Amino acid sequence: GNSVTQMEGPVTLSEEAFLTINCTYTATGYPSLFWYVQYPGEGLQLLLKATKADDKGSNKGFEATYRKETTSFHLEKGSVQVSDSAVYFCALFYGGATNKLIFGTGTLLAVQP
Amino acid sequence: DTAVSQTPKYLVTQMGNDKSIKCEQNLGHDTMYWYKQDSKKFLKIMFSYNNKELIINETVPNRFSPKSPDKAHLNLHINSLELGDSAVYFCASSLFTNHNYGYTFGSGTRLTVV
Repeated sequence: GNSVTQMEGPVTLSEEAFLTINCTYTATGYPSLFWYVQYPGEGLQLLLKATKADDKGSNKGFEATYRKETTSFHLEKGSVQVSDSAVYFCALFYGGATNKLIFGTGTLLAVQP
Repeated sequence: DTAVSQTPKYLVTQMGNDKSIKCEQNLGHDTMYWYKQDSKKFLKIMFSYNNKELIINETVPNRFSPKSPDKAHLNLHINSLELGDSAVYFCASSLFTNHNYGYTFGSGTRLTVV
């Protein structure tokens, strides 16, 4: 079935460090891919998305590229800030019989000043 | 404000009680969802309704019964609450014909069963 695998956290970085959070997926066909962010005590917010191979999603300095050949959608940011501390979820949507958003297990990012 | 709003934000109750969580969206979406987030932050879909019709019903105990009076509302009623029901429950909504916009989530209801 369709699934998403994320790197386990927590990921602890110093301010201005480079961030990569790995995400790979298993799906038949061509799903849409998403990154959501959950700040402490809040709901999930859509961070970025990509709907087809080689698309790059970007928002707030974060980027992720839909790589069909490696079935990956890694999240990157060149210089993290303390305010980026949150849980990041990779997710895929595949229509048809499943027709639901499937999440990875989430990766906690802690940025220290 | 356009949003998905859930009430209550916190709910503490005793085992065996029955409780409800309400969700409303004013985004004009036609599909609504309930997700459960456990203590390890894992998110799992429970139910989905499209235009008041149930379209996804994961393997959730019968004690959980969703109700959608109209496409802007999706409530969750839980009977005979158990300790294992303690979690954060998120409501979400989307447009059925264009999931590429992603889902919009409410801020969650933290249910604690004691």
